[in-house]
Amino acid sequence: GENVEQHPSTLSVQEGDSAVIKCTYSDSASNYFPWYKQELGKGPQLIIDIRSNVGEKKDQRIAVTLNKTAKHFSLHITETQPEDSAVYFCAASIGSGGGADGLTFGKGTHLIIQP
Amino acid sequence: GAVVSQHPSRVICKSGTSVKIECRSLDFQATTMFWYRQFPKQSLMLMATSNEGSKATYEQGVEKDKFLINHASLTLSTLTVTSAHPEDSSFYICSATAWTGWKDEQYFGPGTRLTVT
Repeated sequence: GENVEQHPSTLSVQEGDSAVIKCTYSDSASNYFPWYKQELGKGPQLIIDIRSNVGEKKDQRIAVTLNKTAKHFSLHITETQPEDSAVYFCAASIGSGGGADGLTFGKGTHLIIQP
Repeated sequence: GAVVSQHPSRVICKSGTSVKIECRSLDFQATTMFWYRQFPKQSLMLMATSNEGSKATYEQGVEKDKFLINHASLTLSTLTVTSAHPEDSSFYICSATAWTGWKDEQYFGPGTRLTVT
């Protein structure tokens, strides 16, 4: 089955700086790659996603890049703010992607924004 | 966006009893719902895929007789943890598939914290 590796496990950055979280996946059939933000005691919230026919996607301060050849994808957050502090999970899905298939999650990155 | 609710948010039960957790899609119909389990400071692990009107599909290593899933309608799926033991204590999260107009997307519920004493 699919295996998703996520690094780093903890990331501390100064407010205003950029943060980058990286994930690799094992199954070349995966074609949907969402990123979730989870706050303590709550369910994950989708922040951005990308499909395999796209190399990069941006939404305001958040961007995701995908390299299908190397089987890795990254989350980029620019101009970080204290409210960005949370645990971020990457995930991968095989098939048509999105809602029809269960997700395989990375182990998560605890992002800490230092004021 | 689409809203998914779970009930209860927290439950404490004694070892050997059964607990039912509900997952509802509030403003959309979901043909597919998923159940995940998350241990403290760990990732979400897919337990099963629940399709309305049919039997759930369980991931390898998940006991279907212990974790009973019922998806009786397009807005409700339930997970029943039978004969619960302390090792079943975990954060259980459901998600539901919604059609956004051009793609399917998974929306997650707020989770249910189960503590078995």
